Amino acid sequence: QVQLQESGPGLVKPSETLSLTCAVSASSISSGYYWGWIRQPPGKGLQWIGNIDHSGFTYYSPSLKNRLTISVDTSMNQFSLKLSSVTAADTAVYYCARHRRDNYSSGWYFDYWGQGTLVTVSS
Amino acid sequence: EIVLTQSPGTLSLSPGERATLSCRASQSVSSYLAWYQQKPGQAPRLLIYGTYSRASGIPDRFSGSGSGTDFTLTINRLEPEDFAVYYCQQYADSPYTFGQGTKLEI
Repeated sequence: QVQLQESGPGLVKPSETLSLTCAVSASSISSGYYWGWIRQPPGKGLQWIGNIDHSGFTYYSPSLKNRLTISVDTSMNQFSLKLSSVTAADTAVYYCARHRRDNYSSGWYFDYWGQGTLVTVSS
Repeated sequence: EIVLTQSPGTLSLSPGERATLSCRASQSVSSYLAWYQQKPGQAPRLLIYGTYSRASGIPDRFSGSGSGTDFTLTINRLEPEDFAVYYCQQYADSPYTFGQGTKLEI
């Protein structure tokens, strides 16, 4: 059973950079899937953030791409998210997830998720 | 950006009944539509992908249908553990968007 586990600070100050890491177990991050992030503000819906493959090829949400960096560390079987210049609007539960494609789709759905980690942006 | 609108916002049913949840897209997503179940304090769980296909371990009382812009998740013979929030998600075009959710309550 594929497992993903998020880690990182639960509190970030406005204008600073939010950094999270997702450790993957029971699956190699080099196995051909994409791996990425989805967030959920408290009491609200889900927002796709972006993803990366084992070679470092990334896809980002257009609304976040100017502040977003997703990276991969295949030796540690983990990937990371950095979101710069955060504001209160970035307060959310951040999930890491395995991205999966249909045979003919260009996009992804998400078949394995981490438990999520709440990041609050506040001074 | 493709907007997904789910209805109803809240659905009140009893165990043993059938639930019918709707998801409408602002433009065609072909068959690239997934459904997720989320319980309080938990991550979403994939139920359906490709409009029809059940994810591994999902009971056959869950079924998906539709195409283009109109999709339905049907849950037959509701069990107590089915009461949760359900989200649809399109993966036809970036950004890969979710509906606002339907809360299925007893």
